[in-house]
Amino acid sequence: DSGVTQTPKHLITATGQRVTLRCSPRSGDLSVYWYQQSLDQGLQFLIQYYNGEERAKGNILERFSAQQFPDLHSELNLSSLELGDSALYFCASSVGGGPIGSYNSPLHFGNGTRLTVT
Amino acid sequence: GESVGLHLPTLSVQEGDNSIINCAYSNSASDYFIWYKQESGKGPQFIIDIRSNMDKRQGQRVTVLLNKTVKHLSLQIAATQPGDSAVYFCAEGNYGQNFVFGPGTRLSVLP
Repeated sequence: DSGVTQTPKHLITATGQRVTLRCSPRSGDLSVYWYQQSLDQGLQFLIQYYNGEERAKGNILERFSAQQFPDLHSELNLSSLELGDSALYFCASSVGGGPIGSYNSPLHFGNGTRLTVT
Repeated sequence: GESVGLHLPTLSVQEGDNSIINCAYSNSASDYFIWYKQESGKGPQFIIDIRSNMDKRQGQRVTVLLNKTVKHLSLQIAATQPGDSAVYFCAEGNYGQNFVFGPGTRLSVLP
C-alpha cells in the first residue's frame, strides 16, 4: 500500500459532463502529481502542486483543472468530457517539491481512477 | 479489468530464471532514473532508483544498471517469481523537469 488514496475507483459518465477526481497524499508528503494513462500510451504528466500552489504543468488540457487544498488533498476537475478522455488517472505524491520529488523519495502512486466516457 | 498497454513488448521468462528489462532514455541531461512496477488494476509501484553519478545499484533481488554513454537503463530481477509478472516502466528526470515515463515492458513469468 503506497499510502496514496484516490476516489472514486471507477467513474462512468457521458460526453459533455464534468467530473471531479480526488486524491489524498501520503502523510507528510507535500507534493501531489496527476498523471493520465491511456491504453496505448504511457503515463502522461498533467500537473503538480506543492503545498497548495501549482508547481509544474504538463500536457493538461484547458478543460482540465486541479487544485490542492490546505489539508494537502487534491482534486482534478475534468469538464466537457470527450470519449478520448477515457483513461486511468493517477495521483502520486512525494515529500519534496521538485519536479521529480527528491532523491530517495520518489513518486508514490495511488491505484487510480478509471474514467469511462460514453 | 482492462490491461495497461495492450501492445507493449513482452518478456517471457521461466520461473526461477533471471529477467533483464531494458529501457532507452531520451534526454542526455537526465540525472535521476526510476523503475516502477505496475500490476493489473494498481498504480505504479516504486522498485528502485539510481542517480547519474552511479552505474549500478542493488536492491532486494533487483539491480539497476545505468549506461550513460548509450543512454540505456536496465532492470535485472533475480530468481523471477510469478508475483513479478507486471508491466515495468522506467522513468527519467532531472531537476527542473518532470518525469518522463517509458512505454513499459510486460514481464510474463512462466511456470
